Amino acid sequence: RKEVEQDPGPFNVPEGATVAFNCTYSNSASQSFFWYRQDCRKEPKLLMSVYSSGNEDGRFTAQLNRASQYISLLIRDSKLSDSATYLCVVIPGSGNTGKLIFGQGTTLQVKP
Amino acid sequence: ETGVTQTPRHLVMGMTNKKSLKCEQHLGHNAMYWYKQSAKKPLELMFVYNFKEQTENNSVPSRFSPECPNSSHLFLHLHTLQPEDSALYLCASSQLFGHTEAFFGQGTRLTVV
Repeated sequence: RKEVEQDPGPFNVPEGATVAFNCTYSNSASQSFFWYRQDCRKEPKLLMSVYSSGNEDGRFTAQLNRASQYISLLIRDSKLSDSATYLCVVIPGSGNTGKLIFGQGTTLQVKP
Repeated sequence: ETGVTQTPRHLVMGMTNKKSLKCEQHLGHNAMYWYKQSAKKPLELMFVYNFKEQTENNSVPSRFSPECPNSSHLFLHLHTLQPEDSALYLCASSQLFGHTEAFFGQGTRLTVV
């Protein structure tokens, strides 16, 4: 089983739609979780951290489900500029050893 | 403008060449990383340096040789590469200890011919 798994998509949605991505992780001791965004031929950039209580940043909501070992990202009112690849990132184990494990990424295409 | 700078941005090299990738971070971080990103594959962690010491070598072939002279600079020395080594090589840095994000450089797109 891969350490971090994502559905690669692509997800094709119209502007204004709500879309959700899930990501599963295999190491139950993992403590830190993030969503990164990567535009075509660019470097990944942090979109948001994922906290145990869930967190929201504007149109973006991230949730953590430890029991089922998955994290989710919800995007409301999709914009054309949201088109990108969304990477799920996990720091496995307890403490921060600096080892970030990336999922394959989920590609989102928002259409006019 | 990124706090992590990589050079060169693009590199084409033959299989018998020797070249080096350079990474510099201006963020005061104490951990630096090399990642490889191939088409349709997840980012693969190659090496991790904490406080200039290598703490992770993710079964990377010896034709890739990292060097970390100080906490701000990281190199990846390349020699006798194969065409399948063509990929985007990304450097990142972060602050250890705690729920901290990694910042990436813009990457070096490497083509081995």
